This record gives sequence, C-alpha cells and structure tokens, in this order.
Amino acid sequence: GAVVSQHPSWVICKSGTSVKIECRSLDFQATTMFWYRQFPKQSLMLMATSNEGSKATYEQGVEKDKFLINHASLTLSTLTVTSAHPEDSSFYICSARAQAAHSNQPQHFGDGTRLSIL
Amino acid sequence: AQTVTQSQPEMSVQEAETVTLSCTYDTSESDYYLFWYKQPPSRQMILVIRQEAYKQQNATENRFSVNFQKAAKSFSLKISDSQLGDAAMYFCAYSRTGAGSYQLTFGKGTKLSVIP
Repeated sequence: GAVVSQHPSWVICKSGTSVKIECRSLDFQATTMFWYRQFPKQSLMLMATSNEGSKATYEQGVEKDKFLINHASLTLSTLTVTSAHPEDSSFYICSARAQAAHSNQPQHFGDGTRLSIL
Repeated sequence: AQTVTQSQPEMSVQEAETVTLSCTYDTSESDYYLFWYKQPPSRQMILVIRQEAYKQQNATENRFSVNFQKAAKSFSLKISDSQLGDAAMYFCAYSRTGAGSYQLTFGKGTKLSVIP
C-alpha cells in the first residue's frame, strides 16, 4: 500500500520549454503533497508544500512563478517548470501524506524525475 | 528552526557485520517524529524506520533499530547483519507533530558502502 507514482521519470528538453511533472497517490488520498529538489550528492531540499484545493506554500528562495504547483484533487499534484533553463536541471521528487485523524502518517515518495535542460 | 545533522558523510561495513549511523537534531518541541530514509542508486526514497518522540522504547524493524536519546537529541540507526542491498544513502529526518503540514527536515545524508 501507500504507492506514489511520479511521471515522467526522465525528461530532456530544450531551454525555454515548460515541463510538467505529475505526482499521483495510487491507493490513498493525500491531503498534502510535497515537492523536493535534489542536486547530485546532496540532500533533499523542500521546494513547496501543496494542499488539496488551496495555493501551494513555497519555501524561501523558490520562485513561485517559475515552479507552478497545482493540487486539484486528493490524488494528484503537478509541478510545472516554466521556461526551463539549464540551471533548472535537477532531480525532482514528490511525496504524499495520507489523510489521517492523527499526525502520524509518514510521507511516501515517488521515484523522482530527472530533468535535463539542454 | 529545526536542524538535522549527520556527521558521517561516508561509512563502510563488511557484509554480515553491524554498522551504526549517527544523527543529531535540534528542536525546541517536546513532541515530534524522527525518521531514517534510504535512497539507493535508483534514487527512490524508502522509509526504513520511524520513532515518535513521546515513546521511550526504541523502534525496530527487522535488522534495523534505532538508539533514541531524547535528552541528547540523538537518533542513531543500527543495521545488523549488513547485506549488499543495504548500500545506499541514508537520510535522517525530523518532522513536527500537531496541526500543520508536517514537512520533513533532512540531514545531509550518509553514504553507506557494504563490502562483500
């Protein structure tokens, strides 16, 4: 149980292109989804927190107009990297937390998306 | 703000032996959660074990166990009978409890190598 599907797993595109990454919770409803960015040999850096039906909360230094997040349903959140440039190349990972009456539900992670901008 | 520190960038262990990964954290909260995540070369984040701060008993999951020292704010992971498949990056993480989005704060990670 608690499977999170992230798609695509790898994308290569030209500079200036917008890229959309999907994060789906397959067997549970996720009130909250998180988007992380990971540079090689580094830890995960939280970009934003996405709550279903409301605007995402972005971490300091993350451009909200650059990284558009939509969480339209309890099973789907999307991250769109707009007008991507080579410096946006990175590994992006989403995670989802199940709805629960208590706060003890762990985050379940997708397999990540490797984004390469040429 | 909460911080998580992993002071060992790299560790190695002989297959079938035991290894302990260190983690310390800083928080002013009295109740919180601590986690160990494993990230193999495939880069998938896998939850290894978690500990609730109000529970004094150390969490265990098969070959994985933790030594939770709340007063010292220490949360180490012990891997017994190490296997080749245990080779990965290990991240210690902290999460608050209560109302809110329960975001994770990660340490910088420890790369574990298992020697056959």
